Amino acid sequence: KAGVTQTPRYLIKTRGQQVTLSCSPISGHRSVSWYQQTPGQGLQFLFEYFSETQRNKGNFPGRFSGRQFSNSRSEMNVSTLELGDSALYLCASSLSPDEAFFGQGTRLTVV
Amino acid sequence: AQRVTQPEKLLSVFKGAPVELKCNYSYSGSPELFWYVQYSRQRLQLLLRHISRESIKGFTADLNKGETSFHLKKPFAQEEDSAMYYCALDNQGGKLIFGQGTELSVKP
Repeated sequence: KAGVTQTPRYLIKTRGQQVTLSCSPISGHRSVSWYQQTPGQGLQFLFEYFSETQRNKGNFPGRFSGRQFSNSRSEMNVSTLELGDSALYLCASSLSPDEAFFGQGTRLTVV
Repeated sequence: AQRVTQPEKLLSVFKGAPVELKCNYSYSGSPELFWYVQYSRQRLQLLLRHISRESIKGFTADLNKGETSFHLKKPFAQEEDSAMYYCALDNQGGKLIFGQGTELSVKP
């Protein structure tokens, strides 16, 4: 079966702009989580959606937001980009809490 | 606060040597703990979970609640084990708290 697909794979944005990242989960998976990975902070949880509802949220500013559609696809949006938002953004889908399946990530560079 | 600590950023061993990647956690409750692995140019993937008490690719990990540890072990390292290893705690079903990761390098 197809894995978790994230698009685009790479992005370069300018400070102050906004960006939208997309994640298509494995078919049948209703939970989608987002993580930010940086060399300094490691992997940090952003938020989790289940059946179009945000169930969990990490400690990130309100500039980071997300949503999930009825087909379980999810998007995350970052507004007013800062240099520190440069990171690899990972999406994971799961059928149960026992295992998260990760995508390849979107590499965001803010200049 | 819930936290996962992996004290070693890099662990280098020779092929055939035993390996132990350390993981300590702080969590008020019954934790669900996992080890995830990321091989070069591949996506992050689950290696094993404490609840299943299984051995994957020769790796095992035992949850020690007294020492709040979940160390990953393998008796004989192989070159193909070289990768980044992340210990993770499931906070509330769907929210994983990761350690900083340990890079394992197995030399021939």
